[in-house]
Amino acid sequence: EIVLTQSPATLSLSPGERATLSCRASQSVSSSLAWYQQKPGQAPRLLIYDASNRATGIPARFSGSGSGTDFTLTISSLEPEDFAVYYCQQRSSWPLTFGGGTKVEIK
Amino acid sequence: EVQLLESGGGLVQTGGSLRLSCAASGFSFSNYALNWVRQAPGKGLEWVSSISGSGGTTYYAADSVKGRFTISRDNSKNTLFLQMNSLRAEDTAVYYCAKMAGYSGGYSDYWGQGTLVTVSS
Repeated sequence: EIVLTQSPATLSLSPGERATLSCRASQSVSSSLAWYQQKPGQAPRLLIYDASNRATGIPARFSGSGSGTDFTLTISSLEPEDFAVYYCQQRSSWPLTFGGGTKVEIK
Repeated sequence: EVQLLESGGGLVQTGGSLRLSCAASGFSFSNYALNWVRQAPGKGLEWVSSISGSGGTTYYAADSVKGRFTISRDNSKNTLFLQMNSLRAEDTAVYYCAKMAGYSGGYSDYWGQGTLVTVSS
């Protein structure tokens, strides 16, 4: 099973600041990694797939990069609606696995 | 518009059974694989199971649910199921059904709002 480790667990930032979230895989997943956003009481939303492709309707301030074992989700300038929990997920091999999440909170 | 509506959750005793359903609309149901993903209270996301569009191929989270949970689908009724047997306290979670993205299998591009399963003695 591929283990995904996200860091930091919590990121405290102000609106307008840049957010950089990390996801590290226990073995290479090539580019087979996605990022999801989840707000309290809501279902997750797909943001990025295959490491760097934005899903339909996702604003350009969200970008993903990386391959192999190290991945980054960047939010270029935080909007109030971006404060949420973010999860990475790999589809390189079964079982599908998620990271533990990074909470982006208002400073 | 893609819609996924889960039902069937509730309170069940340890060792009991429950069958979750997910009614889908807004897409060509049989053409897409589907997932169940769960989230324990205050915890992260955990993939549970996936099924191919035809229903002929299934996958399960090996240690936590294999042998106890069964995923299935009825393409004539656009409905996904999760039969859960021998339920344990650690199965308590919100269960989401999710549609696999057609452009990149393995990712979930649409999610239902979830149904809460509570397992208690």
